[in-house]
Amino acid sequence: AIRMTQSPSSFSASTGDRVTITCRASQDISSYLAWYQQKPGKAPKLLIYGAVTLQSGVPSRFSGSGSGTDFTLTINCLQSEDFATYYCQQYYGHGTFGQGTRVEIK
Amino acid sequence: QVQLQESGPGLVKPSETLSLTCTVSGGSVSSGDYYWSWIRQPPGEGLEWIGYIYYSGTTNYNPSLKSRVTISVDTSKNQVSLKLTSVTAADTAVYYCARDSRGYYDSTGYYSPWGQGTLVTVSS
Repeated sequence: AIRMTQSPSSFSASTGDRVTITCRASQDISSYLAWYQQKPGKAPKLLIYGAVTLQSGVPSRFSGSGSGTDFTLTINCLQSEDFATYYCQQYYGHGTFGQGTRVEIK
Repeated sequence: QVQLQESGPGLVKPSETLSLTCTVSGGSVSSGDYYWSWIRQPPGEGLEWIGYIYYSGTTNYNPSLKSRVTISVDTSKNQVSLKLTSVTAADTAVYYCARDSRGYYDSTGYYSPWGQGTLVTVSS
């Protein structure tokens, strides 16, 4: 199975910050990479697919980059509603998720 | 827009079978463009894909659960169902159904939208 490793596991940030979360695959997955946001008690919400394509309705402050094994989710100008846990997921093989990155308020 | 809703017992005894249903509205499970996946999340933990079904009945399961999982589809009711046998406390989780975009070859894709999820607790 393809393993996905996110870093960091958690961090604190302030509104207005630019934050970056990284995701590394254990093998080349081309651009078969999605990012999700999950808030407590809620289902995950798709943010980005194909490593770089923003899902309809998702604010443009979210962006994704990378291909192969290394990927990045960037949030520009962090808003209060962005404090959540973020997961990457590969879909080159049977879907596997990273362990999550919790973004907390500083 | 497409909406998904999971339903089923919230409490299952150890060694018994977990059974859940996902009802799809605003769209059809018979759409050839998608798979329909089940995903679970133990309390405070990460996400695990369980398996998917295509409207034709074709299925694909996570190898770690394959021996205990059955996913079925009822196109007349626009529903997808999950059965997980011989459950233990390790199967306690929130179970989600989600529309699956279909990935590389016959692999699962990305998931959107998701149902709200239903917590299933395995306990005597």
